[in-house]
Amino acid sequence: AQSVAQPEDQVNVAEGNPLTVKCTYSVSGNPYLFWYVQYPNRGLQFLLKYITGDNLVKGSYGFEAEFNKSQTSFHLKKPSALVSDSALYFCAVRDSGAGSYQLTFGKGTKLSVIP
Amino acid sequence: EPEVTQTPSHQVTQMGQEVILRCVPISNHLYFYWYRQILGQKVEFLVSFYNNEISEKSEIFDDQFSVERPDGSNFTLKIRSTKLEDSAMYFCASTGGPGQPQHFGDGTRLSIL
Repeated sequence: AQSVAQPEDQVNVAEGNPLTVKCTYSVSGNPYLFWYVQYPNRGLQFLLKYITGDNLVKGSYGFEAEFNKSQTSFHLKKPSALVSDSALYFCAVRDSGAGSYQLTFGKGTKLSVIP
Repeated sequence: EPEVTQTPSHQVTQMGQEVILRCVPISNHLYFYWYRQILGQKVEFLVSFYNNEISEKSEIFDDQFSVERPDGSNFTLKIRSTKLEDSAMYFCASTGGPGQPQHFGDGTRLSIL
């Protein structure tokens, strides 16, 4: 079985400061990891993914995430937060070897960037 | 950029009625999915569809649910006899291949009265 944990329901950060949204995962095999963002009344918008290769993955809107296999983590980061980054962020995992394409999502972390 | 489109954006239905949610996946994608998100809860997988058949489904996807790709563009989710607990946002997603990200539509908000 695969699972994702996002330990923080909410993260508050001042505009211009670095932000981190935490995610840990559990899969039987090798993980495919994804971050999505959801704005109010909208669907999930893809930010970035880790499939294989470099542990530091760069994505849309200046976001990046670091894959850490030993800690089974995939934290989302951005060096300088914008007010427009305020949204709900979801981490998702898929087991690359399970023959299953379904994504398992975390419960989401609400990011509030304070002007 | 190509998008997944879903209609309607909001559907209100009486309990016990049938409802069909519609999705147009990205045109060159081969794998299609339905997920749901009950208000305030996490996004949950319902079903995946490939090569004109269901490839996997969750425990939520019981006999009252069905999916269909009636033509080359649409992908539908039918709920045969709706219950109050079916009230949720339903998201359609598609992807071109296993290692590629799933792209989501804006969802249909289903309200069962």
